[in-house]
Amino acid sequence: KAGVTQTPRYLIKTRGQQVTLSCSPISGHRSVSWYQQTPGQGLQFLFEYFSETQRNKGNFPGRFSGRQFSNSRSEMNVSTLELGDSALYLCASSLGPGRTSYEQYFGPGTRLTVT
Amino acid sequence: TQLLEQSPQFLSIQEGENLTVYCNSSSVFSSLQWYRQEPGEGPVLLVTVVTGGEVKKLKRLTFQFGDARKDSSLHITAAQPGDTGLYLCAGPYFGNEKLTFGTGTRLTIIP
Repeated sequence: KAGVTQTPRYLIKTRGQQVTLSCSPISGHRSVSWYQQTPGQGLQFLFEYFSETQRNKGNFPGRFSGRQFSNSRSEMNVSTLELGDSALYLCASSLGPGRTSYEQYFGPGTRLTVT
Repeated sequence: TQLLEQSPQFLSIQEGENLTVYCNSSSVFSSLQWYRQEPGEGPVLLVTVVTGGEVKKLKRLTFQFGDARKDSSLHITAAQPGDTGLYLCAGPYFGNEKLTFGTGTRLTIIP
């Protein structure tokens, strides 16, 4: 079974631009979560989607948004990029809500650098 | 903000030695997971513990969940270079669906 895939793997953007990251979950997984990982703050939860609906949201500004499609694929968007948005963005999939949602299967991440 | 503290933050030991890393919180977890992350990759799920006092073994790795479900430990026996990585604990606090990740322990095994 193929794992979680994320595209692109690396991205360099300029302050003020916007960016869209893509995630394809493991086949059969219907829940997708996004995380931001930085050396200073560690791994922080952005949001979770299930059946095209946002179920949970972390403490990030409204510049961070996401969506999920009917095939469970997900995208996240960051608008008006700031230098502090430079990070590894990780997507994780799980079977769905409930106890199984806590067992996350991660993709390799997208390394975003904002200059 | 609920904090999930891991200790030590960094650990460097010789191949063949034993080690223990800790994950502590002041709040109760519904369950707790341990992940290992290698450079350039996403975290990989190692184990889930659910019951207070539960002990799970995965080859040379032993995971224990505290009786009160507020803490956990990971013990590695006869460490090998392949154990090198960032170890993260994570869990949903009781009554909260969001997954909170620990601060991480960066482990280096020296051949």
